[in-house]
Amino acid sequence: AQKITQTQPGMFVQEKEAVTLDCTYDTSDQSYGLFWYKQPSSGEMIFLIYQGSYDEQNATEGRYSLNFQKARKSANLVISASQLGDSAMYFCAMREGGNRDDKIIFGKGTRLHILP
Amino acid sequence: SAVISQKPSRDICQRGTSLTIQCQVDSQVTMMFWYRQQPGQSLTLIATANQGSEATYESGFVIDKFPISRPNLTFSTLTVSNMSPEDSSIYLCSVPLGGNYGYTFGSGTRLTVV
Repeated sequence: AQKITQTQPGMFVQEKEAVTLDCTYDTSDQSYGLFWYKQPSSGEMIFLIYQGSYDEQNATEGRYSLNFQKARKSANLVISASQLGDSAMYFCAMREGGNRDDKIIFGKGTRLHILP
Repeated sequence: SAVISQKPSRDICQRGTSLTIQCQVDSQVTMMFWYRQQPGQSLTLIATANQGSEATYESGFVIDKFPISRPNLTFSTLTVSNMSPEDSSIYLCSVPLGGNYGYTFGSGTRLTVV
């Protein structure tokens, strides 16, 4: 069974609109971490945001916020006021357990296209 | 945050040959991870390299095909052995940044096997 599910293979959004990228996860651990990464066409992996399972508030980093719904096992990424440079592949990832040096696994990703 | 130098950035190799990919980190890290990203796909973890012990391989990956070395806390190599066109992928190394700061990735090695 997939641990990380991203159900939107691709999305087209008008510039300046807000975008929500969906991510659900599956784990039986109480302690875990959730991550979002951006991969532009250059191929580099850019860390965007992190949410810990015990964090009570949703994480925010500039235009990025993570809508964390623990009971639903959902960790959606919200990008406010989208820009053309946001066009990229976005991956949701999870680290299970409380060891902050442990491996992370990735979802299949969502390709986001921002339209001018 | 840690900086990773990954080499080579790309290579075109003949089937049946082997390629060794290097990752050098500018700080000491306990764990290093090796991923494969097949064309148009997500990242799949190949193995975890912990200094001083054998690498731990994920299901579907074996040491004979992807031997890993981890001689010290700043360096690791991944070898793709006896290559076939199906091995054409991007290979990336990654290290944890500690705390809540995610993981940093090397710039990747784009491998084409012909």
